[in-house]
Amino acid sequence: DAGITQSPRHKVTETGTPVTLRCHQTENHRYMYWYRQDPGHGLRLIHYSYGVKDTDKGEVSDGYSVSRSKTEDFLLTLESATSSQTSVYFCAISESGTGGTEAFFGQGTRLTVV
Amino acid sequence: GQSLEQPSEVTAVEGAIVQINCTYQTSGFYGLSWYQQHDGGAPTFLSYNALDGLEETGRFSSFLSRSDSYGYLLLQELQMKDSASYFCVGGGDSSYKLIFGSGTRLLVRP
Repeated sequence: DAGITQSPRHKVTETGTPVTLRCHQTENHRYMYWYRQDPGHGLRLIHYSYGVKDTDKGEVSDGYSVSRSKTEDFLLTLESATSSQTSVYFCAISESGTGGTEAFFGQGTRLTVV
Repeated sequence: GQSLEQPSEVTAVEGAIVQINCTYQTSGFYGLSWYQQHDGGAPTFLSYNALDGLEETGRFSSFLSRSDSYGYLLLQELQMKDSASYFCVGGGDSSYKLIFGSGTRLLVRP
């Protein structure tokens, strides 16, 4: 199995509080991605990274920020959590940014904002 | 914009063949890949097409026609364990985004 872990796996937080999710990899892959998955939707891209300190927005980036200060860690921050950000969050890593190599996914973080 | 459309649900009988279609609108995906996701699990990679044509991997085959902005995943000899959601994924346009399709939920009946 690819070395990718997400933490925490589950979190309940209150509206208005900041939340940070962590994705850690041991594969030294260049590309890292954060997705959210909601019922009735596929996986929607929030932000992605194509190298240390190189990040860009995805489809649903409003209300989220990311940081990647080293290859192995990609952090997703909800500056002020809202109920609409209740979701399952997946991190993915890939050697290629074209989709041409397998992307490996973490087990997901279930976030509930109350 | 970038969007990949799939049928929301498909039902098939064990042992049969099923085709899951994916049509996309994009400024130019480099290729199309397919992922499987069981309920409560993470997506896992199935196949990738960079060129037009058919790629075969065991019971699974995937097809791409870039001129038609269309692809499909073909699952043969369906098994109960194939009941899952299937996603086409476009990647590698002018950015490094991997964009997921809307997903198709496959139900395999005995």
